[in-house]
Amino acid sequence: AQRVTQPEKLLSVFKGAPVELKCNYSYSGSPELFWYVQYSRQRLQLLLRHISRESIKGFTADLNKGETSFHLKKPFAQEEDSAMYYCALSAFSGSARQLTFGSGTQLTVLP
Amino acid sequence: GAGVSQSPRYKVAKRGQDVALRCDPISGHVSLFWYQQALGQGPEFLTYFQNEAQLDKSGLPSDRFFAERPEGSVSTLKIQRTQQEDSAVYLCASSLRGVAGSLEQYFGPGTRLTVT
Repeated sequence: AQRVTQPEKLLSVFKGAPVELKCNYSYSGSPELFWYVQYSRQRLQLLLRHISRESIKGFTADLNKGETSFHLKKPFAQEEDSAMYYCALSAFSGSARQLTFGSGTQLTVLP
Repeated sequence: GAGVSQSPRYKVAKRGQDVALRCDPISGHVSLFWYQQALGQGPEFLTYFQNEAQLDKSGLPSDRFFAERPEGSVSTLKIQRTQQEDSAVYLCASSLRGVAGSLEQYFGPGTRLTVT
């Protein structure tokens, strides 16, 4: 069975500082990994996925299969980045491709 | 265009009552997922539909939980004889493609169920 771990429930950084949200996974197959974000009073939305290797809102994430990690990084945090961030792994389980989420990290960017 | 909608947004039920939660996916989306999100946790998979077919219900916590999508669009999650441990936010998500090609899931706002 697959598992996603986000070790930090809360993370605070100052505006302009670098930020890294950690995500580790366990899965025996080839994983597809995502970061979802939930801003205050908004719905969960996709931030980025590893297969597209894109940068969204200045965030990047690199899949490290050796360390089974998919950490989310941004060199200069902005106040509008304050939100709940979830790492998720997509894998077949039974007959459906399921998303398995971590427990989330609440990021607060201080002025 | 309209995103995924869910109703009601909030539901308070007395223990033992039955509840029905509705999800309207994005028009034309083949895949529909239900998740349960307990306080302080990430969403957990409940069940998956491809059109009207329920292909996976392995995440449903008990036989009190039942989901349907009879015409391949709107879906209803029903919980019978609610218990306090059913209190959670129930999220619905839809995806354009079927199981083999599904990638991005679009989430609804959720229904917050409180069982008293």
